[in-house]
Amino acid sequence: KQEVTQIPAALSVPEGENLVLNCSFTDSAIYNLQWFRQDPGKGLTSLLLIQSSQREQTSGRLNASLDKSSGRSTLYIAASQPGDSATYLCAVDNFNKFYFGSGTKLNVKP
Amino acid sequence: GAGVSQSPRYKVAKRGQDVALRCDPISGHVSLFWYQQALGQGPEFLTYFQNEAQLDKSGLPSDRFFAERPEGSVSTLKIQRTQQEDSAVYLCASSSRDRGNNEQFFGPGTRLTVL
Repeated sequence: KQEVTQIPAALSVPEGENLVLNCSFTDSAIYNLQWFRQDPGKGLTSLLLIQSSQREQTSGRLNASLDKSSGRSTLYIAASQPGDSATYLCAVDNFNKFYFGSGTKLNVKP
Repeated sequence: GAGVSQSPRYKVAKRGQDVALRCDPISGHVSLFWYQQALGQGPEFLTYFQNEAQLDKSGLPSDRFFAERPEGSVSTLKIQRTQQEDSAVYLCASSSRDRGNNEQFFGPGTRLTVL
């Protein structure tokens, strides 16, 4: 069974810092990997999707990379803002069966 | 609609009651997924539909859980004889599977509390 781990579990940074969130997975036979953010009491908002043939995707201040062979993905957030405070989840798609990590809870202090 | 919707948003049930949770996916989305999310954890896969066909139900925790999508659009997750351990947020997601893109879009979830 696919195991997805996210490190760190929680992170608190001052506004303006660049930061990296990590996601690792045990089975490299994935279809794609998707990063989400979840605000308290809300559903998941899709941030970036990286297909298995891709190495990275960018959207605004976010950049996600994927290294299938080593079972790792990173989400880079540039110039963090208080509005970025949320829980960030990665999910790997094992061909229509999705496995999530437990998330990284990010707090960006003004 | 513009996004995935779920109803009710909150449900309180007494132990032993049956509940039904509804998901309206994005119009035209072929794939539909149900997840269970416990407090402080990531979502856990329950089941997957492609159109009206339930292709994977390996994540359903017991035979008290049943899901259907009879016309390939709206889906219902039913839990019979609810137990306290069923208390969780139930999330629905849909995907278009367009050109191999399996990007999922989630609804706001239904928070189920079993007393």
